[in-house]
Amino acid sequence: RKEVEQDPGPFNVPEGATVAFNCTYSNSASQSFFWYRQDCRKEPKLLMSVYSSGNEDGRFTAQLNRASQYISLLIRDSKLSDSATYLCVLYTGGFKTIFGAGTRLFVKA
Amino acid sequence: DAMVIQNPRYQVTQFGKPVTLSCSQTLNHNVMYWYQQKSSQAPKLLFHYYDKDFNNEADTPDNFQSRRPNTSFCFLDIRSPGLGDAAMYLCATSSDDAGPTARDTQYFGPGTRLTVL
Repeated sequence: RKEVEQDPGPFNVPEGATVAFNCTYSNSASQSFFWYRQDCRKEPKLLMSVYSSGNEDGRFTAQLNRASQYISLLIRDSKLSDSATYLCVLYTGGFKTIFGAGTRLFVKA
Repeated sequence: DAMVIQNPRYQVTQFGKPVTLSCSQTLNHNVMYWYQQKSSQAPKLLFHYYDKDFNNEADTPDNFQSRRPNTSFCFLDIRSPGLGDAAMYLCATSSDDAGPTARDTQYFGPGTRLTVL
């Protein structure tokens, strides 16, 4: 079983839609959680950090469920510019960072 | 602006010909990382430096080496590139001084795309 699992998608949604991604992890010692966004052939860029039960930033909401070992990302009112791959990332301590393979999102006009 | 810079952005090398990729940062972060990312896959951590201390991941091939001559610079050396080493190589930094809620956050450079002929 992979340490971090994400649905690869792609998710194809119209502009204005709400879309949610889940990420499950197997390492119960995971300390910190992040969502990164990666555009095609570019570097990952931090979208949100999730240190407690959740975090909200504008149209983006992340939630953490430690008991069930998953984190989610909710995007409301999707924009064309939200089209990207969303990477779920875990920090387990000792500078060990584990990336998921990402979920691809396409937002269509 | 403070940033992570990688050079070159694109590198073409021949099978077996050594190649060096460069990363520099103006963030004054004490931790630097090298990742390998192949198409449609997750970035895979190769190694990291905590200050001057080198930390190799257990499954990183010996073909990959790294040097960090000072806080700002870090190099990735691929001694004998194979076709399977063609990938995007990402450098990232983080800082112990960022506080408990931010020290785990990594900042990435734009990457070097390596092609092996």
